[in-house]
Amino acid sequence: QSALTQPASVSGSPGQSITVSCTGTSSDVGGYNYVSWYQQHPGKAPKLMIYDVSNRPSGVSNRFSGSKSGNTASLTISGLQAEDEADYYCSSYTSSSTGVFGTGTKVIVL
Amino acid sequence: QVQLVQSAAEVKKPGASVKVSCKASGYIFTTYYMHWVRQAPGQGLEWMGIINPGGGSTTYTQKFQGRVTMTRDTSTSTVYMEVSSLRSDDTAVYYCAREALEGRYNFDHWGQGTLVTVSS
Repeated sequence: QSALTQPASVSGSPGQSITVSCTGTSSDVGGYNYVSWYQQHPGKAPKLMIYDVSNRPSGVSNRFSGSKSGNTASLTISGLQAEDEADYYCSSYTSSSTGVFGTGTKVIVL
Repeated sequence: QVQLVQSAAEVKKPGASVKVSCKASGYIFTTYYMHWVRQAPGQGLEWMGIINPGGGSTTYTQKFQGRVTMTRDTSTSTVYMEVSSLRSDDTAVYYCAREALEGRYNFDHWGQGTLVTVSS
């Protein structure tokens, strides 16, 4: 199972919106609405930000939103803030009943 | 509140085995599946496998089949993950992560991570 493909880095200025993409195949991202997104600050455990493509857990800011089209899922952060600077990973359920993560994206707040 | 507390860091020699524990509290242990994820230094997250604490069934990613064993002890609400025949590229932080009840493979709570260093 190959890792899902994400851009290495995405940057934006405070207040702007950015989008992180996550590309898989019809056996994972495209085949199920089971894509989730995680935020990870240095030295910390990941934190669930979006699940089932577009749902936000309780306590996560509504500045974070998710979507999917075909084999590509996307995470959008609106009103970018300094605290959003972190690594972001997508994850998907697969047709083999396994999980797979994306390659990870470093979000940089300019 | 939900807590997943992992065992302390380990240093192992190549060829040895390591067993990492993850003690759960604050919820009904047998109701939620548990996953293991690892992260090599400076690298991304890698899904390793899943265990059903209720029945004990497991699924491992093909890369780790035959070298990884996940078990659980319902009397102590603890899951274990053992890696055998360790190599230097197994050096990583190993996380346990609880799967949420909604959807599939959404990890809503994570342990603090256990650093396993493989070095001669």
